[in-house]
Amino acid sequence: GAGVSQSPRYKVAKRGQDVALRCDPISGHVSLFWYQQALGQGPEFLTYFQNEAQLDKSGLPSDRFFAERPEGSVSTLKIQRTQQEDSAVYLCASSLAQGRTEAFFGQGTRLTVV
Amino acid sequence: AQSVTQLDSQVPVFEEAPVELRCNYSSSVSVYLFWYVQYPNQGLQLLLKYLSGSTLVKGINGFEAEFNKSQTSFHLRKPSVHISDTAEYFCAVSVLHNQGGKLIFGQGTELSVKP
Repeated sequence: GAGVSQSPRYKVAKRGQDVALRCDPISGHVSLFWYQQALGQGPEFLTYFQNEAQLDKSGLPSDRFFAERPEGSVSTLKIQRTQQEDSAVYLCASSLAQGRTEAFFGQGTRLTVV
Repeated sequence: AQSVTQLDSQVPVFEEAPVELRCNYSSSVSVYLFWYVQYPNQGLQLLLKYLSGSTLVKGINGFEAEFNKSQTSFHLRKPSVHISDTAEYFCAVSVLHNQGGKLIFGQGTELSVKP
């Protein structure tokens, strides 16, 4: 497809359940970012990949959060033992190169932990 | 560290009226500046960006923004709004170098255009 694709669009998880969120970036985009957007807030940075290398994971809120991009294309954000405070929209963005080029965002995955 | 402050959480305005959404930032290094728009249940779409050069930047949908380095501001303006401009608007900064261009966002401004 032409844009960044995220799946699923909506996910309801019971507290304590593990979840995996998928991001398909635009083909050829080197940089990939994950952001967390709580209700009524701006997106907050979670982690950044350049190709398959995770260069910055300073925004991951706890060791329950894990992200990977093994072949430098599709990325997965995994959350273990979900908690209610994990409820948010998780946005993925990709860009052709870092910094000066536009980051294109997916529609996000809305995670609700009950 | 960088931070972004959007001074208004909600801006109601009548159709065809002008609007200004305010954004101030804090950074000890040079930054790139962006405005994104988010429609309900959608991702973010880039409206415009300032990288260098002319401080007046024009974007899509008739929006423009002016970079003011001395006031560390990047306010977004539109001379005449439409109902379809109703959305959430986010100001953001990025630092290239070793941070990979990650975006630091403000809290957002909800623009509500009324007929």
